[in-house]
Amino acid sequence: GENVEQHPSTLSVQEGDSAVIKCTYSDSASNYFPWYKQELGKRPQLIIDIRSNVGEKKDQRIAVTLNKTAKHFSLHITETQPEDSAVYFCAATPGAAGNKLTFGGGTRVLVKP
Amino acid sequence: SAVISQKPSRDICQRGTSLTIQCQVDSQVTMMFWYRQQPGQSLTLIATANQGSEATYESGFVIDKFPISRPNLTFSTLTVSNMSPEDSSIYLCSVGTRGGGTDTQYFGPGTRLTVL
Repeated sequence: GENVEQHPSTLSVQEGDSAVIKCTYSDSASNYFPWYKQELGKRPQLIIDIRSNVGEKKDQRIAVTLNKTAKHFSLHITETQPEDSAVYFCAATPGAAGNKLTFGGGTRVLVKP
Repeated sequence: SAVISQKPSRDICQRGTSLTIQCQVDSQVTMMFWYRQQPGQSLTLIATANQGSEATYESGFVIDKFPISRPNLTFSTLTVSNMSPEDSSIYLCSVGTRGGGTDTQYFGPGTRLTVL
């Protein structure tokens, strides 16, 4: 089955700096890669996703890149703000019948004002 | 995206008892899933709730411990049976909405379970 590894497990940045979280996956059949943000005590919220036919996707201050050959994808947050502090999870799915998500271990991001 | 609710939002239960968690969506969805999130950990898929048939369980999860129902396209239940303190977790349902040929998943608010 799919295995997703996520690094780093914790990330502390100064407000205004950029944050980068990296994930690798094992199943070459995976074709959909969402990112979720989970604030303390809240549900995971989908913030951006990318499909295997696209190499990069941007939405305001966040962007995701995908390298299918190397089987890794990354989340980039620019101009970080205190409200970006949360746990971020990457995930992957083969996209076949069932569309199960396999999650990375999570990255706790702290943005220091 | 769909509006997803879960009941109860939290509960404290005694070991050996069972708890049924409900997940309700305000529109028909293709896929419904149940996840467990242990304290400070990532999300682990328990099973896919199949409408009108038995759920599909992931390795390490069995029907006797986590029976699941999905009577229609907007509702599912997960029961945590014969609970022990190790079952203390947040249980989340998610629903899949089709987009670009692959289901995008959205999560319910979760049920925080504490077993004493």
